[in-house]
Amino acid sequence: AQSVTQLGSHVSVSEGALVLLRCNYSSSVPPYLFWYVQYPNQGLQLLLKYTTGATLVKGINGFEAEFKKSETSFHLTKPSAHMSDAAEYFCAVTTGFQKLVFGTGTRLLVSP
Amino acid sequence: GAGVSQSPSNKVTEKGKDVELRCDPISGHTALYWYRQSLGQGLEFLIYFQGNSAPDKSGLPSDRFSAERTGGSVSTLTIQRTQQEDSAVYLCASTLRGTSGGAWTDTQYFGPGTRLTVL
Repeated sequence: AQSVTQLGSHVSVSEGALVLLRCNYSSSVPPYLFWYVQYPNQGLQLLLKYTTGATLVKGINGFEAEFKKSETSFHLTKPSAHMSDAAEYFCAVTTGFQKLVFGTGTRLLVSP
Repeated sequence: GAGVSQSPSNKVTEKGKDVELRCDPISGHTALYWYRQSLGQGLEFLIYFQGNSAPDKSGLPSDRFSAERTGGSVSTLTIQRTQQEDSAVYLCASTLRGTSGGAWTDTQYFGPGTRLTVL
């Protein structure tokens, strides 16, 4: 069975500060990993994904994540937070063509 | 349209009534998924369609929930005899099972959801 753990239900940063949202996964087979963002009253929008190949993946809006197999992690980072980054972020895992298993989400708060 | 669409966007119903939620996937996407998002349970998988068949319906919470997909396109999620605990946002996603640029792609694209409130 697969699972995802997101540490911190809320993360607060100042505008311009580094954003780090943590995600650890459990999977018995090579995983596909995703980060989605959800703005209020909207659906989920894909930020980035890891399937195979390069372990550092870049996504939209300046976000990136690094797949670390030895640490079973897929943390999301952005060098400089913007007010518009305030949203809820979900990490998810799948083994391919199957259901996504989501973490519980992390709400990012950005203060001026 | 360019994205996944869902209707209605909001649905308020009385306990015990039946409701139907509709999902229009991205044109050409062969796989379709339903998820439920609620405060207590987070994002939960409900059912997965490949074409018109549902190889995985393990997430349906009870036999009051059913779903069908016709013509390999539109899907309807039906909840019979709604209960207050069914109140949630129901999300639909679709994916193209195949290759993109030479690599397998499994990205699920989500619709805006239907917010169901059972009074």
